[in-house]
Amino acid sequence: GQNIDQPTEMTATEGAIVQINCTYQTSGFNGLFWYQQHAGEAPTFLSYNVLDGLEEKGRFSSFLSRSKGYSYLLLKELQMKDSASYLCAVRAYNTDKLIFGTGTRLQVFP
Amino acid sequence: EPEVTQTPSHQVTQMGQEVILRCVPISNHLYFYWYRQILGQKVEFLVSFYNNEISEKSEIFDDQFSVERPDGSNFTLKIRSTKLEDSAMYFCASSGETGGAWELFFGEGSRLTVL
Repeated sequence: GQNIDQPTEMTATEGAIVQINCTYQTSGFNGLFWYQQHAGEAPTFLSYNVLDGLEEKGRFSSFLSRSKGYSYLLLKELQMKDSASYLCAVRAYNTDKLIFGTGTRLQVFP
Repeated sequence: EPEVTQTPSHQVTQMGQEVILRCVPISNHLYFYWYRQILGQKVEFLVSFYNNEISEKSEIFDDQFSVERPDGSNFTLKIRSTKLEDSAMYFCASSGETGGAWELFFGEGSRLTVL
């Protein structure tokens, strides 16, 4: 089976940097995904890691360590519109589906 | 930009009634999915569909649920006899080869309320 853990809630200040952690256990690993979900809306894709290391995409970066079953999403220069839930999702080997964690609700304050 | 579209956006039904939720995936995608999200909870996998058949399904996807791709564009989820606990947001998603990630693109969701 699969188990994905991430903090339930985080708060941060506009302009700051925040790191959202995700740990996972899965039987076989074939990629880790981060999605953003605003309240009442659909998840939207942010980033994908399948090899160890850092992937940078503008203000957002995502890191993966497969040996530790660990990933983080780094958000820089926080803006109010970044207030949302951030979902960590894992794809196991030999499957096409994603399994989602419970999400981390981030509140950005002025 | 291509997108996944879903109808209806909101449906209210009585317990025991049948419901059909409709989706139009992105046109060149090959894999289609239904997920659901009960209010305040996580996004849960229901079923995946590839090459005109179910490729995987979760424990939630019991005999009350079925999926169909009746033509080249639509992908439907049917719930035969709705229960109160079926109240949730149902998301359709599709994926295809876009840079190798095969990420899922989600529709805006269909909110189902069972009374």
